[in-house]
Amino acid sequence: GDSVTQMEGPVTLSEEAFLTINCTYTATGYPSLFWYVQYPGEGLQLLLKATKADDKGSNKGFEATYRKETTSFHLEKGSVQVSDSAVYFCALSDREGGNKLTFGTGTQLKVEL
Amino acid sequence: DTEVTQTPKHLVMGMTNKKSLKCEQHMGHRAMYWYKQKAKKPPELMFVYSYEKLSINESVPSRFSPECPNSSLLNLHLHALQPEDSALYLCASSFTRGTAQWRDTQYFGPGTRLTVL
Repeated sequence: GDSVTQMEGPVTLSEEAFLTINCTYTATGYPSLFWYVQYPGEGLQLLLKATKADDKGSNKGFEATYRKETTSFHLEKGSVQVSDSAVYFCALSDREGGNKLTFGTGTQLKVEL
Repeated sequence: DTEVTQTPKHLVMGMTNKKSLKCEQHMGHRAMYWYKQKAKKPPELMFVYSYEKLSINESVPSRFSPECPNSSLLNLHLHALQPEDSALYLCASSFTRGTAQWRDTQYFGPGTRLTVL
């Protein structure tokens, strides 16, 4: 079955540091890949998505590239801010699962001044 | 506009109470979802409605009863819950394009924080 593996958290960074959160996946089909962000006390917000190999999703300074050869979709940001502190979820959906999302365990990011 | 609204924001109920959670979207989406999220965990899918018909029930106990009165509204009726049912309940919706549903983005609401005493 499908699965998503994310790097363990929590991740603590200083403001303006470079961020990478690793995400790898296993899927039987050709999945669509998503990053969602959840701020404290809130629901999930779509951060970015990619639907085919080599697509790069980007939003609010965050980027992730769909790498089929390494089955990865790592999230990056060049300079994090305190306001980026949140939990980040990598997720996938594919033809076999229909509209079911498979989530990773989530990575908590804390950015300090 | 990609807004999904949920009411109430917080709910405290006893194990013998009956309550309902409400979710609404006006984006023309034809798939709607209920998720349960425990602290420090990813959301777990409970139910999916597609074109107002229940298409997925992830073996959820019958004390949770979903209802989709129309394409914009989704309810979750709660009865005789247990303390372990305390969680954040998230609603989501997606456009749904026939056979390519897996490519559609799910948009989440802010959730209802449920506490069962």
